[in-house]
Amino acid sequence: GNSVTQMEGPVTLSEEAFLTINCTYTATGYPSLFWYVQYPGEGLQLLLKATKADDKGSNKGFEATYRKETTSFHLEKGSVQVSDSAVYFCALTGAGGTSYGKLTFGQGTILTVHP
Amino acid sequence: EAQVTQNPRYLITVTGKKLTVTCSQNMNHEYMSWYRQDPGLGLRQIYYSMNVEVTDKGDVPEGYKVSRKEKRNFPLILESPSPNQTSLYFCASSLSLASGSPGELFFGEGSRLTVL
Repeated sequence: GNSVTQMEGPVTLSEEAFLTINCTYTATGYPSLFWYVQYPGEGLQLLLKATKADDKGSNKGFEATYRKETTSFHLEKGSVQVSDSAVYFCALTGAGGTSYGKLTFGQGTILTVHP
Repeated sequence: EAQVTQNPRYLITVTGKKLTVTCSQNMNHEYMSWYRQDPGLGLRQIYYSMNVEVTDKGDVPEGYKVSRKEKRNFPLILESPSPNQTSLYFCASSLSLASGSPGELFFGEGSRLTVL
């Protein structure tokens, strides 16, 4: 079945530092890939997405590129802010067949940014 | 305002006492789904529904039931709750998860359930 693996957290950074959160996946065919963010006490919200190989998703200064050759979708931001402190989830939807309609999440990475 | 509404937000109950967590969306979305969030495990899908009267199991359906009689509502039913169902539950909806054109998932604020 499909699976998503994220780097272990928590990640603690100083404001304006560079952020990378690694995400690799296992899936058949051509899944769509997502990053969701969960701020304290809230539900998840979509941060960015990519639907085919070599696509780059971007939003709010965050970027991730769909790399089929390495089955990865790493999240990056050049300069983090305190307000970026949250839990980040990598996820994928199946490409069809028995995966249709299923969304698989990674375990989440807690990010804390200090002033 | 477009939203997914879950109730109750917090609930403490005892083993074996049936409960229902309601979920309603006002965006005319076809797709709805339930997840549970547990530390170190991320979100795991319980059940999903592609449209009215169409439901299917996710990865952890045991001990749960769902129904989709109307497009806007997708209640989660725990017939006989047990302590291992203590968790944070999220309902989500989307216009469509059709392959090749996945929609954005909109999440509710979560329901924290404790089963004693």
